Amino acid sequence: AQKVTQAQTEISVVEKEDVTLDCVYETRDTTYYLFWYKQPPSGELVFLIRRNSFDEQNEISGRYSWNFQKSTSSFNFTITASQVVDSAVYFCALSWPSGSARQLTFGSGTQLTVLP
Amino acid sequence: NAGVTQTPKFQVLKTGQSMTLQCAQDMNHEYMSWYRQDPGMGLRLIHYSVGAGITDQGEVPNGYNVSRSTTEDFPLRLLSAAPSQTSVYFCASGRVSPLHFGNGTRLTVT
Repeated sequence: AQKVTQAQTEISVVEKEDVTLDCVYETRDTTYYLFWYKQPPSGELVFLIRRNSFDEQNEISGRYSWNFQKSTSSFNFTITASQVVDSAVYFCALSWPSGSARQLTFGSGTQLTVLP
Repeated sequence: NAGVTQTPKFQVLKTGQSMTLQCAQDMNHEYMSWYRQDPGMGLRLIHYSVGAGITDQGEVPNGYNVSRSTTEDFPLRLLSAAPSQTSVYFCASGRVSPLHFGNGTRLTVT
């Protein structure tokens, strides 16, 4: 069975600090996809990134970067020079069944608060 | 382009009442799904559909019914609401990936 663990329930940082959100997953599938979604206080879900299980290259997008390591089953998310607007709940998610990218198992989320 | 539209945004029900949460998408996506979000538990898949006339159960299907008569619409029915169904419900659609989520329906069952 799939499982996604986000052990950090809440994180609070001061603006301009770097912050890393951890995500550990479990799956028996060989082909799967990992996702990060952002849920700001307004409540909508915003897609941030998708990574497939065959692509372990790290990705950087502006102040956001992602570190995917199959050896440790982790897909961590780092925000560099955090801003107040980054305050949100961040969800990591894993797709199923094998090869599909549409049914998702979500982690419980990490509430990030960036203080001015 | 409206994307994924959910109605209503808020709803209060009494235990035992029935209602339908509406979800419509205008992107011609074959795939649609329903999730519920509860505090500390992330989102959990209720039902999904890979096309008109085809539906399947997700992780937490009990107490919910769905049907898919058109590509655009995927309603979620609660036949007899229970307090345990108090939650925020999200509808999502997608051609492949990633999913496009609606803005959610906050349901309270008293």
